[in-house]
Amino acid sequence: SYELIQPPSVSVSPGQTASITCSGDKLGDKYAFWYQQKPGQSPVVVIYQDTKRPSGIPERFSGSNSGNTATLTISGTQAMDEADYYCQAWDRSAVVFGGGTRLTVL
Amino acid sequence: QVRLEQSGAEVKKPGASVKVSCKASGYTFTSYYIHWVRQAPGQGLEWMGIINPSGGGTTYPQKFQGRVTMTRDTSTSTVYMELSSLRSEDTAVYYCAREGSFGVVITSNWFDPWGQGTLVTVSS
Repeated sequence: SYELIQPPSVSVSPGQTASITCSGDKLGDKYAFWYQQKPGQSPVVVIYQDTKRPSGIPERFSGSNSGNTATLTISGTQAMDEADYYCQAWDRSAVVFGGGTRLTVL
Repeated sequence: QVRLEQSGAEVKKPGASVKVSCKASGYTFTSYYIHWVRQAPGQGLEWMGIINPSGGGTTYPQKFQGRVTMTRDTSTSTVYMELSSLRSEDTAVYYCAREGSFGVVITSNWFDPWGQGTLVTVSS
């Protein structure tokens, strides 16, 4: 079955750039989606179709997807960005999630 | 605004079944597919399947086939997810989520918004 691999954790200093990767076989041939989940809350989409940002999501969130890797980039990271981030893709007719990455802003 | 309101927390014994509801409002119920996703304590997201509220068609991943049933009631704009033969490993928060955009191919679509989640605890 298809797998999406994320690093379990990423740390970043406030104001710096955080990059969270998501790896899967030929992931660049599919769309990648990214969700942010804060403790006790439901996930929220922050990037859809590789690079698009929903209304209400700050411009500091951006995405890319090529080859086997999709990347979520947070520029000028703020304390409020501390959360779990999940990538997601479709494999045939099934949804696949990455294992999640905990972003710590220290 | 678009909203998905889920039923309350449940406690079930092993072997029992649970049925979680997800009431939609703020949009045309039959125009958007709805997914179910669960999250065990401290764990990641796991997709459980999808239902087309218009015709009632469903797709479930192999892991849940035979144990999960998704249905809908168009008169109340509500979808249901029933999971049977519960075991302790089914203890999780269960979310419903609507697809994000109308008219986009299913496999190009995303999850937005999500319901608030329903905690199901399986314990003897």
